[in-house]
Amino acid sequence: DGGITQSPKYLFRKEGQNVTLSCEQNLNHDAMYWYRQDPGQGLRLIYYSQIVNDFQKGDIAEGYSVSREKKESFPLTVTSAQKNPTAFYLCASSSKREVTYEQYFGPGTRLTVT
Amino acid sequence: GQQVMQIPQYQHVQEGEDFTTYCNSSTTLSNIQWYKQRPGGHPVFLIQLVKSGEVKKQKRLTFQFGEAKKNSSLHITATQTTDVGTYFCAINLRGNQFYFGTGTSLTVIP
Repeated sequence: DGGITQSPKYLFRKEGQNVTLSCEQNLNHDAMYWYRQDPGQGLRLIYYSQIVNDFQKGDIAEGYSVSREKKESFPLTVTSAQKNPTAFYLCASSSKREVTYEQYFGPGTRLTVT
Repeated sequence: GQQVMQIPQYQHVQEGEDFTTYCNSSTTLSNIQWYKQRPGGHPVFLIQLVKSGEVKKQKRLTFQFGEAKKNSSLHITATQTTDVGTYFCAINLRGNQFYFGTGTSLTVIP
């Protein structure tokens, strides 16, 4: 089955700890994305990567870091510098179809920091 | 930066009633996409619109792209409980970067 996997589904951490969220895709997509979703809000872009070893900051990159060492993987680290890290994190990938890019989303990781 | 406004934020309808959500941009868009997110789930791509005035249908769902390519709508005819969820529009920014609207949460009352 082709798709995007995120693990774990639920994650609990103490304040001050860094935590890394996993995102893997076997769709052979070049572009990958990380979004954050808070209740009642849309999806806000944290980071995106168009090719291996390259990534760009989105609207809310502060307190987060990423790497793209392999095409299939795009892990997100939530650092202790992120002031309000509790949220639902969604990873997505895309590949050009017709004129533009349709995004495929993983099931998400719900992070709770106390 | 470029933004897209989506209204309404919430909509409650009786089963069988129609539903519409709107996305509006202050600038001309190259394209617009629509996604649906079921409660507790992840967004799923529904459709993309590219041409001015384009209208596309998927069963009871009708998608429109405005003539000026600054607004779009999603209309659901005769809602069913399976339509429950949040509907997002998304616009394509630089390259393959996207900006999502705030979404419209649809509740269908049986």
